[in-house]
Amino acid sequence: SQQGEEDPQALSIQEGENATMNCSYKTSINNLQWYRQNSGRGLVHLILIRSNEREKHSGRLRVTLDTSKKSSSLLITASRAADTASYFCATGRSGNTPLVFGKGTRLSVIA
Amino acid sequence: DTGVSQNPRHKITKRGQNVTFRCDPISEHNRLYWYRQTLGQGPEFLTYFQNEAQLEKSRLLSDRFSAERPKGSFSTLEIQRTEQGDSAMYLCASSLNTGGSGNTIYFGEGSWLTVV
Repeated sequence: SQQGEEDPQALSIQEGENATMNCSYKTSINNLQWYRQNSGRGLVHLILIRSNEREKHSGRLRVTLDTSKKSSSLLITASRAADTASYFCATGRSGNTPLVFGKGTRLSVIA
Repeated sequence: DTGVSQNPRHKITKRGQNVTFRCDPISEHNRLYWYRQTLGQGPEFLTYFQNEAQLEKSRLLSDRFSAERPKGSFSTLEIQRTEQGDSAMYLCASSLNTGGSGNTIYFGEGSWLTVV
């Protein structure tokens, strides 16, 4: 079963704009990870945020985590056409359990 | 290449045939995972290993599916008597479990299975 729910399911923006994707989950977690997947390819790890963290940055990526609301957001700033992909959040109940993925957000960045 | 390697990348098989996928994890990673993904969906967990021990199996893993990691290095996923519903991408991933709070899991490029 899939725990995370990404919102929106699809997002289309112009190059240079910011893209925000949200993830909500149901049970308590130990960590949350964001992945990117280009069509027909494997998943690329973007960022991991632990339950005791509220915000993390990596290049043009900013991830927030609100455990009280059981939600996370991924912000991509100054988007590029190469950012076009599906983005998934995945949650871990503990440090040792497999990740549970949502259905993803399909991002299209138009040049 | 030091990433997770999967073979074959594509497999077309007739219904009822057996297929086997191989995964070579990142060297020294003690955890190895198998996921399945269908079009428009997120990856669904199938099973995972800590070294050679299979620690958890999803209810998605029917009796026709078997996974092994005999020496704690590479792993195989075999599907017997394939059905059209088995058509999906099978993803392998690995991580180094250090007992801490959250380990980055790295994925391979996946193996596409089409059952005709």
